Amino acid sequence: GAVVSQHPSWVICKSGTSVKIECRSLDFQATTMFWYRQFPKQSLMLMATSNEGSKATYEQGVEKDKFLINHASLTLSTLTVTSAHPEDSSFYICSARVGAGGGARPLTDTQYFGPGTRLTVL
Amino acid sequence: AQKVTQAQTEISVVEKEDVTLDCVYETRDTTYYLFWYKQPPSGELVFLIRRNSFDEQNEISGRYSWNFQKSTSSFNFTITASQVVDSAVYFCALSYSASKIIFGSGTRLSIRP
Repeated sequence: GAVVSQHPSWVICKSGTSVKIECRSLDFQATTMFWYRQFPKQSLMLMATSNEGSKATYEQGVEKDKFLINHASLTLSTLTVTSAHPEDSSFYICSARVGAGGGARPLTDTQYFGPGTRLTVL
Repeated sequence: AQKVTQAQTEISVVEKEDVTLDCVYETRDTTYYLFWYKQPPSGELVFLIRRNSFDEQNEISGRYSWNFQKSTSSFNFTITASQVVDSAVYFCALSYSASKIIFGSGTRLSIRP
């Protein structure tokens, strides 16, 4: 249990285009989903937190108009990188969290991560 | 302020050796969670363990064991009889407001055959 998928696993796009990344919790309902960015050989940096049916909360320094987040259901969140530029090239990882009331697996108050999406902007 | 420190940037050991990954954290909260995640070369973060701040019992899962000591704000991770498949980056993490978590900088573990 506690499986999170991401699609696509990698994407190459031209500068100026938009790219959408999907994050799905496959076998549980996620009250909250998180989006992270990871540069090579660095730790994960939280970009935003999204709750189903409400606007995402962005971390300081993250442009909300550039990184659009939609959390349409308890199992799906999307991140759209708008007008992508080479500096947006990175590894994007989502996570899903179960709030109170979950079973033994997934554990509540624990984030389960997707496999990540490698974005390359030419 | 919340902070997680993993002072060991890289560790390299020969297969079958035991290895301990250190994690020191800072928080003013009295209730918090600590985590360890494994990131193999494929990139996916794999959840290993969650520990509640009120539970200082050490835990063992197969070759993995964790030592949580509030007195020293440490949550160390030991792999016994290491294997090549254990090679990965390991992250220690601490929960804070609204269930966000902050990650340490990670320790890159290489197990040589």
